[in-house]
Amino acid sequence: EPEVTQTPSHQVTQMGQEVILRCVPISNHLYFYWYRQILGQKVEFLVSFYNNEISEKSEIFDDQFSVERPDGSNFTLKIRSTKLEDSAMYFCASSEMGPNTEAFFGQGTRLTVV
Amino acid sequence: AQSVTQLDSQVPVFEEAPVELRCNYSSSVSVYLFWYVQYPNQGLQLLLKYLSGSTLVKGINGFEAEFNKSQTSFHLRKPSVHISDTAEYFCAVGSYGNKLVFGAGTILRVKS
Repeated sequence: EPEVTQTPSHQVTQMGQEVILRCVPISNHLYFYWYRQILGQKVEFLVSFYNNEISEKSEIFDDQFSVERPDGSNFTLKIRSTKLEDSAMYFCASSEMGPNTEAFFGQGTRLTVV
Repeated sequence: AQSVTQLDSQVPVFEEAPVELRCNYSSSVSVYLFWYVQYPNQGLQLLLKYLSGSTLVKGINGFEAEFNKSQTSFHLRKPSVHISDTAEYFCAVGSYGNKLVFGAGTILRVKS
């Protein structure tokens, strides 16, 4: 069964460092998303990506964040200079059409900023 | 703006008992409604979805949900739970935009 794959599963980084979270969406999907879940809080939308550009982003997704689809398979989230409050579980998702079809989520990357 | 309220943060229930996890939403436009389940140390898995048509939606693992437009609710039900249903359940709403808005989650604890 096709699945969304995220690496690494857990990353620890020092405050101020750059991190790149990687995702391999399902191959025939066209829409890609990043969500995050701070411990004990809601799953929050960060950004959606379609046709090689950002289609929507939340107020959380400030200039510290960027997304890229560097090749035909990977979808990355970069945090330029991490802050303690960036510690969270980051979920990648993809869908064949928009969000009113099924979005498939990856296992998540737990980011810990120390 | 859309929002989702899951009224119970935790629901303890005995095995083989019925369960209902409550979800209310607010939206000014047509909505698409989803329930996702997250087992420990795993990602989010879709249980069921309502896009249009019949208001009673059946999903995987014996779960079902009913869309009630007048009460703006989409409660999740299962007539008889198993230990393996212990997980966190998230209600979410989508719209014409490109994102899902999630509720805070309900932890279902099934006891033997």
